[in-house]
Amino acid sequence: EVQLVQSGTEVKKPGESLKISCEGSGYRFSNYWIGWVRQMPGKGLEWMGIIYPADSDTRSSPSFQGQVTISADKSTSTAYLQWSSLKASDTAMYYCARHIISQADARAGYFDYWGQGTLVTVSS
Amino acid sequence: DIQMTQSPSTLSASVGDRVTITCRASQSISSWLAWYQQKPGKAPKLLIYKASSLESGVPSRFSGSGSGTEFTLTISSLQPDDFATYYCQQYNSYLTFGGGTKVEIK
Repeated sequence: EVQLVQSGTEVKKPGESLKISCEGSGYRFSNYWIGWVRQMPGKGLEWMGIIYPADSDTRSSPSFQGQVTISADKSTSTAYLQWSSLKASDTAMYYCARHIISQADARAGYFDYWGQGTLVTVSS
Repeated sequence: DIQMTQSPSTLSASVGDRVTITCRASQSISSWLAWYQQKPGKAPKLLIYKASSLESGVPSRFSGSGSGTEFTLTISSLQPDDFATYYCQQYNSYLTFGGGTKVEIK
């Protein structure tokens, strides 16, 4: 059974750093792209970026480029989303999801399995 | 950027109703469209990919159609478990989500 298990709720102050995780199991983690999706309180879904764990090839949404770092450790089947300096506007639920690459655009695809989400609250 | 517009934003319906949600793309995306269902406090769940392909395990009352710029998600007979928010997502160029359609109890 494919599972993506994310790290727990985080409460941080503005300016702090943070790294959240997403551990995959039940499939060959290295051979599937993993993506991150943000959902701000009461709002819709926003794609942040994807990573291919086998070689750490990363593609980012222009909206999030430079704002976060996406990484992966294939030896532990874990993907990460990292901030160097959080802002209050980073308060959101963050989901990881297994990404199936589109035949139309190698930067794009859809998500077939999702993690349970990590709630990040940034407040002074 | 390709923009995705869903309508309506909220839909009130009763159990047993046939429900249709529309998603329009700002330019042609061929059939590169997915639909997701999200319940409060839960992660989204994939329902449909490539506009009309039903994801394994998804009930057959869900169906998707369309190509180019106009797409629909249809629930043939609304069940109590179907009250949720539905999102479309294009993956023709990068990927973008629609704003969501909340299906609520009438």
